[in-house]
Amino acid sequence: GAVVSQHPSRVICKSGTSVKIECRSLDFQATTMFWYRQFPKQSLMLMATSNEGSKATYEQGVEKDKFLINHASLTLSTLTVTSAHPEDSSFYICSARRGLANEQFFGPGTRLTVL
Amino acid sequence: KQEVTQIPAALSVPEGENLVLNCSFTDSAIYNLQWFRQDPGKGLTSLLLIQSSQREQTSGRLNASLDKSSGRSTLYIAASQPGDSATYLCAVRSNDYKLSFGAGTTVTVRA
Repeated sequence: GAVVSQHPSRVICKSGTSVKIECRSLDFQATTMFWYRQFPKQSLMLMATSNEGSKATYEQGVEKDKFLINHASLTLSTLTVTSAHPEDSSFYICSARRGLANEQFFGPGTRLTVL
Repeated sequence: KQEVTQIPAALSVPEGENLVLNCSFTDSAIYNLQWFRQDPGKGLTSLLLIQSSQREQTSGRLNASLDKSSGRSTLYIAASQPGDSATYLCAVRSNDYKLSFGAGTTVTVRA
């Protein structure tokens, strides 16, 4: 149990386009979902926290108009990178919290490359 | 702001040797601490979770200790195998539930 999926696993796009990444909790309802980005050989950095049906809370320095997060249901959250640029190229990982449990389950990640 | 540091950044050992990975954090007011494994280009796999009230957790060849007052945790991997080669991440959960990650220790176990 406690499986989190992400789609797509890898995406390459041209500069200026928008990219949507989906995160799903497959066998549990996620009260809270988290989005992280990871640069090569660096730590995961929390971008935002989202609760179902409410607006996401963004970390300092993360542009909310650039990274749109929609947590439409208890099993799905999406991250849209709008007008992507090469500096947005990164590994994006989502995570889901099950109920009030204190453990997070992580997706396999999405590698975004912006040309 | 919680800062998490992992030393060393990289480690290479021959098969069979025991591994010792260190993690330190600046704010001792934590909820729990978690160790993850990350394979290249992949997501995270949870290895061990230690609650703030616990001193250690064990799972198979893995043992993690926690000294909250000194802001340290150590992950021990006994009798390392080539399949243990990966990056190991330490993450500290604060009382606001946010996870702060270290940059990881990349382990290579030579056959």
